[in-house]
Amino acid sequence: KAGVTQTPRYLIKTRGQQVTLSCSPISGHRSVSWYQQTPGQGLQFLFEYFSETQRNKGNFPGRFSGRQFSNSRSEMNVSTLELGDSALYLCASSLAAGAVTDTQYFGPGTRLTVL
Amino acid sequence: AQTVTQSQPEMSVQEAETVTLSCTYDTSESDYYLFWYKQPPSRQMILVIRQEAYKQQNATENRFSVNFQKAAKSFSLKISDSQLGDAAMYFCAYRSFRTGTSGSRLTFGEGTQLTVNP
Repeated sequence: KAGVTQTPRYLIKTRGQQVTLSCSPISGHRSVSWYQQTPGQGLQFLFEYFSETQRNKGNFPGRFSGRQFSNSRSEMNVSTLELGDSALYLCASSLAAGAVTDTQYFGPGTRLTVL
Repeated sequence: AQTVTQSQPEMSVQEAETVTLSCTYDTSESDYYLFWYKQPPSRQMILVIRQEAYKQQNATENRFSVNFQKAAKSFSLKISDSQLGDAAMYFCAYRSFRTGTSGSRLTFGEGTQLTVNP
């Protein structure tokens, strides 16, 4: 079974621009979560989508948004980029069955650099 | 809100030796899940081991085992017979049992950078 894939792997943008990151979950997984990883703040939860609905949201400004499609693929969008948005963005998918076996499996991440 | 703390930013171990990474957490919930993830230089997060809070038996996966102390809210990871490939950042993570309120959200600790010396 193919793992979680994220595109693009690397991205360079300038302040004020917007960016869209994509995540394809493991086949059969219905939940997709996004995390931001920075040296200063560590790993922080952005949001989770399940069956095309946002199920949970972290403490990030409204510039960060996401969506999920009927095939469970997810995109996250960051508008009006700031220097502080430079980070590794990780996507994780899970079955969302609610048991301990409902483990999150992570993709390789998208490294976003904002200049 | 739950918090996870890893008090050891860095640890080192000699190849073939044993090392223990510490993790403590704070929660008001009685049922939850705990995980250890490994992040090598490739940055890919890899699940190492998981534990259900309602199980008293400590989880074991090959050379990896945990010491889960629910009352103390402690969840340490023991790596036996350390190998060079074990060198990575290790993250302890918490997940609520109630997916209806918290979904699959993971709360991570700050991480412990493990170095394995040949």
